[in-house]
Amino acid sequence: GDSVTQMEGPVTLSEEAFLTINCTYTATGYPSLFWYVQYPGEGLQLLLKATKADDKGSNKGFEATYRKETTSFHLEKGSVQVSDSAVYFCALSDPTGNQFYFGTGTSLTVIP
Amino acid sequence: NAGVTQTPKFQVLKTGQSMTLQCAQDMNHEYMSWYRQDPGMGLRLIHYSVGAGITDQGEVPNGYNVSRSTTEDFPLRLLSAAPSQTSVYFCASSPRLLARGYTFGSGTRLTVV
Repeated sequence: GDSVTQMEGPVTLSEEAFLTINCTYTATGYPSLFWYVQYPGEGLQLLLKATKADDKGSNKGFEATYRKETTSFHLEKGSVQVSDSAVYFCALSDPTGNQFYFGTGTSLTVIP
Repeated sequence: NAGVTQTPKFQVLKTGQSMTLQCAQDMNHEYMSWYRQDPGMGLRLIHYSVGAGITDQGEVPNGYNVSRSTTEDFPLRLLSAAPSQTSVYFCASSPRLLARGYTFGSGTRLTVV
């Protein structure tokens, strides 16, 4: 069945460091791919998404590119801030749009 | 635009008590779901609905009931609370095709003692 695998945390970075959180997926056809962010004590917020191969989703300085050949959707940010400290979830919607799968989440802490 | 509204934000129950977690959305979304989030377990789907009058079970439905009498509301009922149901509960909604992604509520933190 379809699934999402993301790198385990926790991840701790210094402010202004480069961030990569790896996400790979297993799916038939062409799923839609998402990154969600969860700040402490809050619900999940959609950070970015991509719906077809080679699409790049971007928001708030974060980027992720839908790579069909490597079945990946890695999240990157060039310079993290303390305010980026949160849990990040990779997710996919299957091609039918009827099923949604979340990764287990990666906790990021950015220290000044 | 309120989005997805969950009430209450916090709740403490005694074992065996029942309660209803409320969820309402004002985006005219057809698809609504309930997830629970536990440390180390990620998000697990409890129940979902693809439209008014239609509900189905997710990954962990035991001990929970749902109904969908209107497009806007999707309450989650705990029939007889158990300590294993201590968790953070999230309601989420989406347009008919999940390819557009979910909008989440802010969650209900439930403790069963």
